[in-house]
Amino acid sequence: AQTVTQSQPEMSVQEAETVTLSCTYDTSENNYYLFWYKQPPSRQMILVIRQEAYKQQNATENRFSVNFQKAAKSFSLKISDSQLGDTAMYFCAFMKRSGATNKLIFGTGTLLAVQP
Amino acid sequence: DTAVSQTPKYLVTQMGNDKSIKCEQNLGHDTMYWYKQDSKKFLKIMFSYNNKELIINETVPNRFSPKSPDKAHLNLHINSLELGDSAVYFCASSQVSYGTRSGYTFGSGTRLTVV
Repeated sequence: AQTVTQSQPEMSVQEAETVTLSCTYDTSENNYYLFWYKQPPSRQMILVIRQEAYKQQNATENRFSVNFQKAAKSFSLKISDSQLGDTAMYFCAFMKRSGATNKLIFGTGTLLAVQP
Repeated sequence: DTAVSQTPKYLVTQMGNDKSIKCEQNLGHDTMYWYKQDSKKFLKIMFSYNNKELIINETVPNRFSPKSPDKAHLNLHINSLELGDSAVYFCASSQVSYGTRSGYTFGSGTRLTVV
């Protein structure tokens, strides 16, 4: 069974600085997807970034980028130029590429506070 | 236009009651899901439907029954509500066919409080 681990329950960063959130996962699959979701206080789940395991290039979306290390089963999220609106719970998630199901398995989340 | 809409957003009810949460998506996705987020914010899948067919049914009490009248709708009915059912319930959708695996689009969640 796949598992996703986020070892940082809470983190804090000053506005305009850079922060990295950690995520590791365990799987015997070779083809899969990894995601970072953001959940602000509004409760809405928002997709931040998506990585396909067969792609070596790290995904980027504006200020958000990942460091995907497939051999180490590590998938960290870097937020550059942090903004107050980045304050949220961040979830790392795993999805197998094959099979009929499309189950998204989440980590326990990291609560990020951006300080003014 | 809201892509995945859930109603109601808040639900407060007494133990033993029966309640339903409705979900609709207008993205044309072929798969819909129900997730439960507990008080520690952990998200766990409950059910998944693909083109109205149940394909994931995790270990969930029989008091929870999903219904999908068509691929754009997935409702969740809960019988005999218990205190432990208090949580936020998220509906989501995604496109599974054509071998792709997009991320989910989530609804805004329903906060269920059982008193």
